Amino acid sequence: GAVVSQHPSWVICKSGTSVKIECRSLDFQATTMFWYRQFPKQSLMLMATSNEGSKATYEQGVEKDKFLINHASLTLSTLTVTSAHPEDSSFYICSASQRERRFFGPGTRLTVL
Amino acid sequence: GQQVMQIPQYQHVQEGEDFTTYCNSSTTLSNIQWYKQRPGGHPVFLIQLVKSGEVKKQKRLTFQFGEAKKNSSLHITATQTTDVGTYFCAGSGAGGTSYGKLTFGQGTILTVHP
Repeated sequence: GAVVSQHPSWVICKSGTSVKIECRSLDFQATTMFWYRQFPKQSLMLMATSNEGSKATYEQGVEKDKFLINHASLTLSTLTVTSAHPEDSSFYICSASQRERRFFGPGTRLTVL
Repeated sequence: GQQVMQIPQYQHVQEGEDFTTYCNSSTTLSNIQWYKQRPGGHPVFLIQLVKSGEVKKQKRLTFQFGEAKKNSSLHITATQTTDVGTYFCAGSGAGGTSYGKLTFGQGTILTVHP
């Protein structure tokens, strides 16, 4: 079946640094990818919709200048957390659709010290 | 905006007991999807329901979509320890597609005691 990969799977960084997370659809093309954030024991909250070749659409309350999304190709979307702070520590998950099914990446656990 | 409420938040059962989680949307949905997330893992797609009143079965799992397309349920018969995890429903608003934005319920954390 379709596979979505994410890299890195976990990252620890210092406060103020930027972190880039990659999301790839390995065996299918995804014109649209979605970025979610999940805090411990909570649900997935959609952050933004990443559209290949155009600007991402951000959900209300998500700062587009802080969470930079680039969808440069049909198989790659990146999320950059700029000037990360401890409150940005979370589990970031991307997903992509193939026909009626939605596939999720394995997630990236970000810890900001 | 669209809200999807899911209950219960937690469910502890003895192995062999049945389990049900319920999902309610504030608006009519075009479709609803169910996911399972194991501890430390990512959500895995289980099923999608599209039609009003639709019922689908996967072995011991039964999924139902309400007539008004605003609620759904997942029922597991005779739970096993392998059923442990968090079950999420996720809906697309009316007029949306399965390719579009999903709103997730809060999830139900299922623990099964052997």
